[in-house]
Amino acid sequence: SQTIHQWPATLVQPVGSPLSLECTVEGTSNPNLYWYRQAAGRGLQLLFYSVGIGQISSEVPQNLSASRPQDRQFILSSKKLLLSDSGFYLCAWDRDRTDTQYFGPGTRLTVL
Amino acid sequence: AQKVTQAQTEISVVEKEDVTLDCVYETRDTTYYLFWYKQPPSGELVFLIRRNSFDEQNEISGRYSWNFQKSTSSFNFTITASQVVDSAVYFCALTTRGSQGNLIFGKGTKLSVKP
Repeated sequence: SQTIHQWPATLVQPVGSPLSLECTVEGTSNPNLYWYRQAAGRGLQLLFYSVGIGQISSEVPQNLSASRPQDRQFILSSKKLLLSDSGFYLCAWDRDRTDTQYFGPGTRLTVL
Repeated sequence: AQKVTQAQTEISVVEKEDVTLDCVYETRDTTYYLFWYKQPPSGELVFLIRRNSFDEQNEISGRYSWNFQKSTSSFNFTITASQVVDSAVYFCALTTRGSQGNLIFGKGTKLSVKP
Protein backbone atom coordinates (compact mmCIF):
# COMPACT_ATOMS: atom_id res chain seq x y z
CA SER A 1 0.00 0.00 0.00
CA GLN A 2 1.02 3.59 -0.47
CA THR A 3 2.21 5.85 2.33
CA ILE A 4 3.03 9.52 2.31
CA HIS A 5 5.39 11.09 4.83
CA GLN A 6 6.09 14.67 5.74
CA TRP A 7 8.67 16.17 8.04
CA PRO A 8 9.10 17.92 10.20
CA ALA A 9 5.69 17.75 11.85
CA THR A 10 6.06 21.17 13.43
CA LEU A 11 8.49 23.99 12.88
CA VAL A 12 9.02 27.40 14.46
CA GLN A 13 11.28 29.68 12.47
CA PRO A 14 12.28 33.35 12.70
CA VAL A 15 11.46 35.79 9.94
CA GLY A 16 14.18 35.82 7.31
CA SER A 17 15.38 32.29 7.95
CA PRO A 18 15.41 29.58 5.25
CA LEU A 19 12.91 26.75 5.01
CA SER A 20 12.97 23.20 3.78
CA LEU A 21 9.99 20.87 4.10
CA GLU A 22 10.16 17.37 2.76
CA CYS A 23 7.54 14.99 1.45
CA THR A 24 8.11 11.41 0.33
CA VAL A 25 5.75 8.77 -1.02
CA GLU A 26 6.23 5.04 -0.68
CA GLY A 27 4.61 2.18 -2.54
CA THR A 28 4.07 3.81 -5.91
CA SER A 29 6.12 5.13 -8.81
CA ASN A 30 5.84 8.27 -10.89
CA PRO A 31 3.16 9.89 -8.73
CA ASN A 32 1.88 13.41 -9.22
CA LEU A 33 2.86 15.42 -6.16
CA TYR A 34 1.27 18.52 -4.66
CA TRP A 35 1.97 21.15 -2.00
CA TYR A 36 -0.95 22.92 -0.35
CA ARG A 37 -1.07 25.57 2.33
CA GLN A 38 -3.86 25.98 4.82
CA ALA A 39 -3.80 29.31 6.60
CA ALA A 40 -5.90 30.16 9.64
CA GLY A 41 -9.40 30.26 8.19
CA ARG A 42 -9.19 26.69 6.95
CA GLY A 43 -9.14 27.18 3.18
CA LEU A 44 -6.67 25.04 1.23
CA GLN A 45 -4.58 26.69 -1.43
CA LEU A 46 -2.63 24.75 -4.03
CA LEU A 47 0.94 26.05 -4.17
CA PHE A 48 2.82 23.70 -6.49
CA TYR A 49 2.36 20.47 -8.33
CA SER A 50 4.76 18.15 -10.12
CA VAL A 51 4.08 15.46 -12.70
CA GLY A 52 7.66 14.19 -12.80
CA ILE A 53 11.26 14.67 -11.71
CA GLY A 54 12.35 18.24 -12.22
CA GLN A 55 8.89 19.32 -13.42
CA ILE A 56 7.32 21.95 -11.19
CA SER A 57 4.25 24.08 -11.81
CA SER A 58 3.52 27.03 -9.58
CA GLU A 59 -0.06 28.05 -8.96
CA VAL A 60 0.47 31.31 -7.11
CA PRO A 61 3.34 33.80 -7.03
CA GLN A 62 4.97 33.73 -3.65
CA ASN A 63 8.02 33.55 -1.49
CA LEU A 64 8.26 29.78 -1.80
CA SER A 65 9.72 27.34 -4.30
CA ALA A 66 9.47 23.61 -4.86
CA SER A 67 11.75 20.95 -6.22
CA ARG A 68 11.48 17.29 -7.10
CA PRO A 69 14.93 15.77 -7.03
CA GLN A 70 13.70 12.18 -7.02
CA ASP A 71 10.60 10.40 -8.28
CA ARG A 72 8.94 10.16 -4.89
CA GLN A 73 10.41 13.18 -3.15
CA PHE A 74 8.96 16.68 -3.13
CA ILE A 75 10.59 19.59 -1.31
CA LEU A 76 9.17 22.97 -0.40
CA SER A 77 11.72 25.71 0.21
CA SER A 78 12.20 29.35 0.96
CA LYS A 79 15.34 31.44 1.14
CA LYS A 80 13.81 33.98 3.55
CA LEU A 81 10.61 33.31 5.45
CA LEU A 82 7.92 35.95 5.90
CA LEU A 83 5.34 36.15 8.67
CA SER A 84 2.69 35.41 6.06
CA ASP A 85 4.31 32.03 5.34
CA SER A 86 2.93 30.68 8.61
CA GLY A 87 0.38 27.93 8.13
CA PHE A 88 -0.23 24.24 7.79
CA TYR A 89 1.51 22.69 4.79
CA LEU A 90 0.10 19.55 3.27
CA CYS A 91 1.67 17.32 0.66
CA ALA A 92 -0.50 15.08 -1.51
CA TRP A 93 -0.11 12.54 -4.30
CA ASP A 94 -2.19 10.91 -6.98
CA ARG A 95 -1.67 8.75 -10.08
CA ASP A 96 -3.59 10.88 -12.53
CA ARG A 97 -4.44 14.57 -12.51
CA THR A 98 -8.14 13.87 -11.87
CA ASP A 99 -7.59 10.91 -9.60
CA THR A 100 -8.15 10.94 -5.85
CA GLN A 101 -5.47 12.87 -4.01
CA TYR A 102 -4.14 11.37 -0.79
CA PHE A 103 -2.67 13.66 1.79
CA GLY A 104 0.21 13.46 4.20
CA PRO A 105 0.07 14.31 7.91
CA GLY A 106 1.15 17.92 7.31
CA THR A 107 3.73 20.33 8.72
CA ARG A 108 2.65 23.16 10.98
CA LEU A 109 4.93 26.15 10.36
CA THR A 110 5.01 29.19 12.61
CA VAL A 111 7.11 32.14 11.54
CA LEU A 112 7.88 34.58 14.37
CA ALA B 1 -14.44 28.95 -13.59
CA GLN B 2 -14.85 26.23 -11.01
CA LYS B 3 -16.12 26.90 -7.52
CA VAL B 4 -17.21 24.95 -4.46
CA THR B 5 -19.44 26.52 -1.82
CA GLN B 6 -19.96 25.13 1.65
CA ALA B 7 -22.37 27.63 3.15
CA GLN B 8 -22.32 26.12 6.64
CA THR B 9 -19.25 27.38 8.45
CA GLU B 10 -19.92 25.56 11.71
CA ILE B 11 -22.50 23.04 12.85
CA SER B 12 -22.99 21.76 16.37
CA VAL B 13 -25.10 18.69 17.16
CA VAL B 14 -25.65 16.35 20.06
CA GLU B 15 -24.49 12.78 19.75
CA LYS B 16 -26.88 10.46 17.89
CA GLU B 17 -28.43 13.30 15.91
CA ASP B 18 -28.34 13.13 12.13
CA VAL B 19 -26.52 15.95 10.36
CA THR B 20 -26.24 17.00 6.72
CA LEU B 21 -23.34 18.99 5.34
CA ASP B 22 -24.14 20.95 2.20
CA CYS B 23 -21.93 21.34 -0.86
CA VAL B 24 -22.78 23.27 -4.01
CA TYR B 25 -20.42 23.31 -6.96
CA GLU B 26 -20.03 25.28 -10.17
CA THR B 27 -18.36 24.13 -13.35
CA ARG B 28 -18.96 24.32 -17.08
CA ASP B 29 -17.14 21.07 -17.73
CA THR B 30 -19.31 18.07 -18.44
CA THR B 31 -16.76 15.71 -16.95
CA TYR B 32 -15.87 16.39 -13.35
CA TYR B 33 -15.18 14.65 -10.07
CA LEU B 34 -16.41 15.47 -6.59
CA PHE B 35 -14.80 14.57 -3.30
CA TRP B 36 -15.35 14.77 0.43
CA TYR B 37 -12.44 14.88 2.87
CA LYS B 38 -12.42 14.84 6.66
CA GLN B 39 -9.87 16.85 8.64
CA PRO B 40 -9.78 15.80 12.31
CA PRO B 41 -7.96 17.95 14.89
CA SER B 42 -4.68 16.19 14.01
CA GLY B 43 -4.77 18.00 10.67
CA GLU B 44 -4.40 15.22 8.15
CA LEU B 45 -6.98 15.22 5.35
CA VAL B 46 -8.71 11.87 5.15
CA PHE B 47 -10.35 10.89 1.88
CA LEU B 48 -14.00 9.84 2.25
CA ILE B 49 -15.54 9.56 -1.20
CA ARG B 50 -15.12 10.34 -4.90
CA ARG B 51 -17.94 10.60 -7.43
CA ASN B 52 -17.75 11.31 -11.14
CA SER B 53 -20.24 13.41 -13.05
CA PHE B 54 -21.70 10.44 -14.89
CA ASP B 55 -22.70 8.57 -11.79
CA GLU B 56 -25.56 10.13 -9.86
CA GLN B 57 -26.19 7.12 -7.70
CA ASN B 58 -26.31 7.95 -4.05
CA GLU B 59 -23.87 6.11 -1.86
CA ILE B 60 -24.03 4.76 1.65
CA SER B 61 -21.08 3.65 3.73
CA GLY B 62 -22.03 2.73 7.24
CA ARG B 63 -23.34 5.86 8.95
CA TYR B 64 -22.22 8.04 6.04
CA SER B 65 -24.29 8.76 2.95
CA TRP B 66 -23.91 11.09 0.01
CA ASN B 67 -26.59 12.64 -2.17
CA PHE B 68 -25.36 13.77 -5.60
CA GLN B 69 -27.86 15.83 -7.60
CA LYS B 70 -26.69 17.33 -10.90
CA SER B 71 -29.95 19.25 -11.30
CA THR B 72 -29.07 21.39 -8.29
CA SER B 73 -25.27 21.03 -8.57
CA SER B 74 -25.13 19.66 -5.08
CA PHE B 75 -23.21 16.88 -3.39
CA ASN B 76 -24.44 16.72 0.19
CA PHE B 77 -23.06 14.53 2.95
CA THR B 78 -25.18 13.08 5.75
CA ILE B 79 -23.93 11.49 8.94
CA THR B 80 -26.54 9.35 10.65
CA ALA B 81 -26.46 8.88 14.41
CA SER B 82 -23.47 11.17 14.81
CA GLN B 83 -20.70 10.34 17.25
CA VAL B 84 -18.12 12.45 19.05
CA VAL B 85 -15.41 10.98 16.77
CA ASP B 86 -17.17 12.61 13.81
CA SER B 87 -16.09 16.02 15.11
CA ALA B 88 -13.85 17.48 12.40
CA VAL B 89 -13.74 19.93 9.55
CA TYR B 90 -15.24 18.48 6.39
CA PHE B 91 -14.20 19.66 2.94
CA CYS B 92 -15.99 19.23 -0.34
CA ALA B 93 -13.79 19.46 -3.44
CA LEU B 94 -14.08 19.46 -7.22
CA THR B 95 -11.70 18.69 -10.06
CA THR B 96 -12.25 18.71 -13.81
CA ARG B 97 -10.31 18.04 -16.98
CA GLY B 98 -10.65 21.71 -17.73
CA SER B 99 -8.95 22.69 -14.50
CA GLN B 100 -6.04 20.42 -15.43
CA GLY B 101 -6.84 18.28 -12.48
CA ASN B 102 -6.40 21.00 -9.87
CA LEU B 103 -8.51 20.25 -6.83
CA ILE B 104 -10.83 23.11 -5.92
CA PHE B 105 -11.81 23.05 -2.24
CA GLY B 106 -14.72 24.60 -0.44
CA LYS B 107 -13.93 26.51 2.74
CA GLY B 108 -14.99 23.60 4.91
CA THR B 109 -17.65 22.98 7.53
CA LYS B 110 -16.60 22.49 11.13
CA LEU B 111 -18.75 19.84 12.76
CA SER B 112 -18.85 19.56 16.54
CA VAL B 113 -20.61 16.56 18.02
CA LYS B 114 -21.24 16.92 21.73
CA PRO B 115 -21.83 13.98 24.06
